[in-house]
Amino acid sequence: GAGVSQSPRYKVAKRGQDVALRCDPISGHVSLFWYQQALGQGPEFLTYFQNEAQLDKSGLPSDRFFAERPEGSVSTLKIQRTQQEDSAVYLCASSFGTGNQPQHFGDGTRLSIL
Amino acid sequence: DAKTTQPPSMDCAEGRAANLPCNHSTISGNEYVYWYRQIHSQGPQYIIHGLKNNETNEMASLIITEDRKSSTLILPHATLRDTAVYYCIVSRGSGNTGKLIFGQGTTLQVKP
Repeated sequence: GAGVSQSPRYKVAKRGQDVALRCDPISGHVSLFWYQQALGQGPEFLTYFQNEAQLDKSGLPSDRFFAERPEGSVSTLKIQRTQQEDSAVYLCASSFGTGNQPQHFGDGTRLSIL
Repeated sequence: DAKTTQPPSMDCAEGRAANLPCNHSTISGNEYVYWYRQIHSQGPQYIIHGLKNNETNEMASLIITEDRKSSTLILPHATLRDTAVYYCIVSRGSGNTGKLIFGQGTTLQVKP
């Protein structure tokens, strides 16, 4: 499709397990963002890539969170040793360039930690 | 990035114009005003953005005051499908690591 695609749509994991969330941005989009959205709250920034370079990871809540975009296209957000407070919707967004072009969001991955 | 202030909720009758206000009194000269909306269980959807001139697209109009300290999003003919949370955000754009800082937004309820 033409939009941002995220998989899986839903993920259930037991506390302590590692999870990997995938984002396929719109083709040709240089910028890629990850956000975390807790229930009833607005999305919160996690990290930003320009092509394959991770230029801002100030929003990652702990060193258990790791993101990569090795070829400047698909990105993976990995959470190690998951905890219950990691339960949230994880949103990916991409934008065409590095100017004021708007970010386009996927529908997110809903992560539930039991 | 500057913070924004929006009313927590608004109602609008179907077919009427919905006018959603936003205050951003600390906006700086290189920051844009973006509007997104989020329908339940979906990701945020981009609506419109502007710097200082009024903007219009197929979805909405954006009116920015001359001093840029506030703006209004106008949905000219609201439908039931416009029921959503609307976020007003100011940002420098992706080129400056333009992360979007979402507040609580305005929950717009369009009623038949």
